[in-house]
Amino acid sequence: GENVEQHPSTLSVQEGDSAVIKCTYSDSASNYFPWYKQELGKRPQLIIDIRSNVGEKKDQRIAVTLNKTAKHFSLHITETQPEDSAVYFCAASKGRGSTLGRLYFGRGTQLTVWP
Amino acid sequence: DGGITQSPKYLFRKEGQNVTLSCEQNLNHDAMYWYRQDPGQGLRLIYYSQIVNDFQKGDIAEGYSVSREKKESFPLTVTSAQKNPTAFYLCASSIYLGDSGSFGDGTRLSIL
Repeated sequence: GENVEQHPSTLSVQEGDSAVIKCTYSDSASNYFPWYKQELGKRPQLIIDIRSNVGEKKDQRIAVTLNKTAKHFSLHITETQPEDSAVYFCAASKGRGSTLGRLYFGRGTQLTVWP
Repeated sequence: DGGITQSPKYLFRKEGQNVTLSCEQNLNHDAMYWYRQDPGQGLRLIYYSQIVNDFQKGDIAEGYSVSREKKESFPLTVTSAQKNPTAFYLCASSIYLGDSGSFGDGTRLSIL
């Protein structure tokens, strides 16, 4: 099956700095890569996703990049704010509707933004 | 208001007891999932269901059982065979298997 590795496990940044979280995947057939944010004691929520026919996607201060050749994808958060502090999870799947299409999650990154 | 409802929020289990966690969704999603979350372990898949009356084992299915008799409901039973059940359990659903979907608020299970 798929194996998703996520680094770093913890990340501390100063408010206003950028944060980058990286994930690698093992199955070249994976083609859908969502990112989730989980605040303490709350449910994970989808913040951005990317499909393999796209190299980069941006939504305000958040962007995701995908390198299919190297089989890695990254989450970039610019101008970080204290409310960005949370655990972030990456995931990979073979896409919608596939019988093999379940999500495989990374272990998560605890991001702390210091004021 | 559409969403996923998990109950109870907190649950306590005695030794040798089976307990059932409820998950209901009104999003008309075909796929439903159960994840276990432990500190530093991320989200580990217990069981998933692509359609009514069908479900598949995930990565850590031992000691757990599920049913999918209705599209809206996917209850998880933690059996006495699960020796370390203390964890945060999250239910999720998506339109299709492998789509991003939505999560419930979770059930925190502890041992008495």
